[in-house]
Amino acid sequence: GQSLEQPSEVTAVEGAIVQINCTYQTSGFYGLSWYQQHDGGAPTFLSYNALDGLEETGRFSSFLSRSDSYGYLLLQELQMKDSASYFCAVRDEYSGAGSYQLTFGKGTKLSVIP
Amino acid sequence: EAQVTQNPRYLITVTGKKLTVTCSQNMNHEYMSWYRQDPGLGLRQIYYSMNVEVTDKGDVPEGYKVSRKEKRNFPLILESPSPNQTSLYFCASSLPGGSGELFFGEGSRLTVL
Repeated sequence: GQSLEQPSEVTAVEGAIVQINCTYQTSGFYGLSWYQQHDGGAPTFLSYNALDGLEETGRFSSFLSRSDSYGYLLLQELQMKDSASYFCAVRDEYSGAGSYQLTFGKGTKLSVIP
Repeated sequence: EAQVTQNPRYLITVTGKKLTVTCSQNMNHEYMSWYRQDPGLGLRQIYYSMNVEVTDKGDVPEGYKVSRKEKRNFPLILESPSPNQTSLYFCASSLPGGSGELFFGEGSRLTVL
C-alpha cells in the first residue's frame, strides 16, 4: 500500500512564496502529481514529476526527490485565488498487470491572507 | 467540450434503497476511477478501470460495485446504501500513459439517511 503525508493547513501572505511538502511511502513508485481543489469544486491537475528535479509551470513549481521519497509544490507570487486545498498523489505501476493506482494525500488547505 | 459528467449531482436517499451514480466521459480515455471525499480524509479510491470489462478495487471498495461495459461510461452502484456512505463522490478519467492527468467530474453529493 501507499501512504502520503502533507501538512493539513498552511497560511501565507498575498505576494509571498509558500512551499507545501509531501512525503510518501509506496512500492513501485511511478510518479508524483499535484492537484488543486477550490471549495465546492472538483480537483484539477497542476503538475507531475516522474524524475528527480524541478518542474516549473508559471507561478507553480513542483519538485521530486525519489531517493528521499519527498516532493513539494512551490507557489510564488501568491494571489487570493490560490486559496484552496492542494493534494499530492502518488502513482504506482504494477508492471505486467498493466494497471496502476493513484493514491492521494489528505490535502493541505492553503489560506492566502492580505 | 472535453468533460466528465456525473449524475445526479445531489441525492438524498434512505438506507437500503439501491442507487446508481452515472459517469460518462467524452475524451476516449481508457482509464476511469471513482473516489470518495470525506472531511480530513482526502480522496480515497473506490474502484478503477483500465479499460472496458477491466475493473479493480481501490482502497475502499466495500459496499460498492462498478461496471465498464462501454469505454465512455463507468457507473457506481450502491446496492444497499448505508449512512457511512454519505460522502462526496468524484468520477475521473485519464489516458494511461504519461502524467496520467486525471480529469474529474463535478462531484455527486450523496446523503444516506
